[in-house]
Amino acid sequence: KAGVTQTPRYLIKTRGQQVTLSCSPISGHRSVSWYQQTPGQGLQFLFEYFSETQRNKGNFPGRFSGRQFSNSRSEMNVSTLELGDSALYLCASSRDSDNSPLHFGNGTRLTVT
Amino acid sequence: TQLLEQSPQFLSIQEGENLTVYCNSSSVFSSLQWYRQEPGEGPVLLVTVVTGGEVKKLKRLTFQFGDARKDSSLHITAAQPGDTGLYLCAGEKNAGNMLTFGGGTRLMVKP
Repeated sequence: KAGVTQTPRYLIKTRGQQVTLSCSPISGHRSVSWYQQTPGQGLQFLFEYFSETQRNKGNFPGRFSGRQFSNSRSEMNVSTLELGDSALYLCASSRDSDNSPLHFGNGTRLTVT
Repeated sequence: TQLLEQSPQFLSIQEGENLTVYCNSSSVFSSLQWYRQEPGEGPVLLVTVVTGGEVKKLKRLTFQFGDARKDSSLHITAAQPGDTGLYLCAGEKNAGNMLTFGGGTRLMVKP
């Protein structure tokens, strides 16, 4: 069974640009959540999607957005990139959103210059 | 301010030693999870504890959830170099996979 796949693995962008990250969950998983990991703040919750609907949102500015498609694949978008957006972005999937174990991908390392 | 405080932040020990990592909060969680993350990879779930006072064992690792469901500990017996990694605790308050993570404990076990 394939794990959670995140693409691309590495990305370098310039301040002011926008970026789209992709996440393919484990087959059969309908919940996809996104986390940002930085050395200073650790892992922070961005948002969670379940059956194409955003169910929860963390405390991030509106420049961070996401969506989920009917096949459960998810994308997150960051617009008007700032230096502080440099981070490892992790996607996690689970079968549903009620106490099912989370399976994380290996992340997308975004560097903003 | 972290809602979940992990201690210690760093730990360097010799193979064969025992260690305990603590995860404390003033908030009550419906469940608490422990993850291990290695460089270049995402966190991997080790265990989920749900009931106050619950103790779970995974080979040489023992996890405990506090009676009030506000704190947890991870004890490793006879640590091995393969235990090296970043250990993260994460609390869940409501359904929806909205986890609050602790700052992590970076463990290095020297042979």
